[in-house]
Amino acid sequence: EAGVAQSPRYKIIEKRQSVAFWCNPISGHATLYWYQQILGQGPKLLIQFQNNGVVDDSQLPKDRFSAERLKGVDSTLKIQPAKLEDSAVYLCASSWDRDSPLHFGNGTRLTVT
Amino acid sequence: DQQVKQNSPSLSVQEGRISILNCDYTNSMFDYFLWYKKYPAEGPTFLISISSIKDKNEDGRFTVFLNKSAKHLSLHIVPSQPGDSAVYFCAASEAGTASKLTFGTGTRLQVTL
Repeated sequence: EAGVAQSPRYKIIEKRQSVAFWCNPISGHATLYWYQQILGQGPKLLIQFQNNGVVDDSQLPKDRFSAERLKGVDSTLKIQPAKLEDSAVYLCASSWDRDSPLHFGNGTRLTVT
Repeated sequence: DQQVKQNSPSLSVQEGRISILNCDYTNSMFDYFLWYKKYPAEGPTFLISISSIKDKNEDGRFTVFLNKSAKHLSLHIVPSQPGDSAVYFCAASEAGTASKLTFGTGTRLQVTL
């Protein structure tokens, strides 16, 4: 089966600019997650979708981050405006349901200068 | 506040020997634990999990042990192979599922010839 697809792989922007990341989960996976992994740390959950509804966004900095999952398939994560501390790898993951292990994409490495 | 801790940032083991990776947690509400393996430039991949109702789970060369009273789990890899060289993340959930995972900071395992 095809894995979780993410694009772009790398992105370099200046602070205060905006950026968007795209994720296509494994076909049939109802649950989709966005994680942020800062260098030297473990991944941190930003937002969890069940189909096209948000299940948990308690750790999403909503003043600058937004995410959507239209039609319950693809998802986009946006940062506007970006700060230096947003430099990280943004990982998308999906699973059949909330009880199944997560399958991660290869991530988007964001550098904010 | 780091609820899941992997105190050894790196570990080097000879091929054929046992690798033991350790993880400690502080949140007594965690009841489901997972190990993920990550190669450079790739997303984490699920390795093995254990529920708090068990104290051991085995899958081929990989065994996870859980000591609830000590809030400690370990991953044993026997025998270690060069392809096992990767970063290993311990993760925990208090939902009894794979959702809303809290990750440790990872341990880099190097298996030498």
